[in-house]
Amino acid sequence: GAGVSQTPSNKVTEKGKYVELRCDPISGHTALYWYRQSLGQGPEFLIYFQGTGAADDSGLPNDRFFAVRPEGSVSTLKIQRTERGDSAVYLCASSVDKDNEQFFGPGTRLTVL
Amino acid sequence: DQQVKQNSPSLSVQEGRISILNCDYTNSMFDYFLWYKKYPAEGPTFLISISSIKDKNEDGRFTVFLNKSAKHLSLHIVPSQPGDSAVYFCAASSNSGNTPLVFGKGTRLSVIA
Repeated sequence: GAGVSQTPSNKVTEKGKYVELRCDPISGHTALYWYRQSLGQGPEFLIYFQGTGAADDSGLPNDRFFAVRPEGSVSTLKIQRTERGDSAVYLCASSVDKDNEQFFGPGTRLTVL
Repeated sequence: DQQVKQNSPSLSVQEGRISILNCDYTNSMFDYFLWYKKYPAEGPTFLISISSIKDKNEDGRFTVFLNKSAKHLSLHIVPSQPGDSAVYFCAASSNSGNTPLVFGKGTRLSVIA
């Protein structure tokens, strides 16, 4: 079966622009997570969805970051007024339920010039 | 303030020998620990986990040891194979895995043929 997919694989944008990153979880997985991995660091938690609702958004760095999952499947991470410090690999993961193994997608590499 | 620390950024091991990757944590609330493996341009993949009620978990060539009093865990790979060359991340969670994963910075393992 298909794994977690993320699009685009690479995104280059200019400082101040708006970007959307998409995640398609494994079919049937109710839990979906977004992480950010900066160079030389491990993945850092951003936000977690259980179904359509954001159950924990404590990792979002500021109000420029927002994520949605309107139908409980595909999720979009939205970043407004991008800054150079937002450059990182954004990883999405899904799991059958909250306390099960998380399966990661390949990530979207965001570069803000 | 790193709650999960992997103090060795890299490790080189000869094929057939044992690889030992170490991880330390500071948060005493952590009760579930995982190791993920990551190849370039791919998302992390789950390798093995251990609950704090155990001190050892084994799966084929991979064994994880947990020393709760020292807040230390290690991953042993034996025998090491060239295909094991990857970045290994230690991750931790609390409330029996019901809180977001906290990752270390990773250790790059190179297995030399």
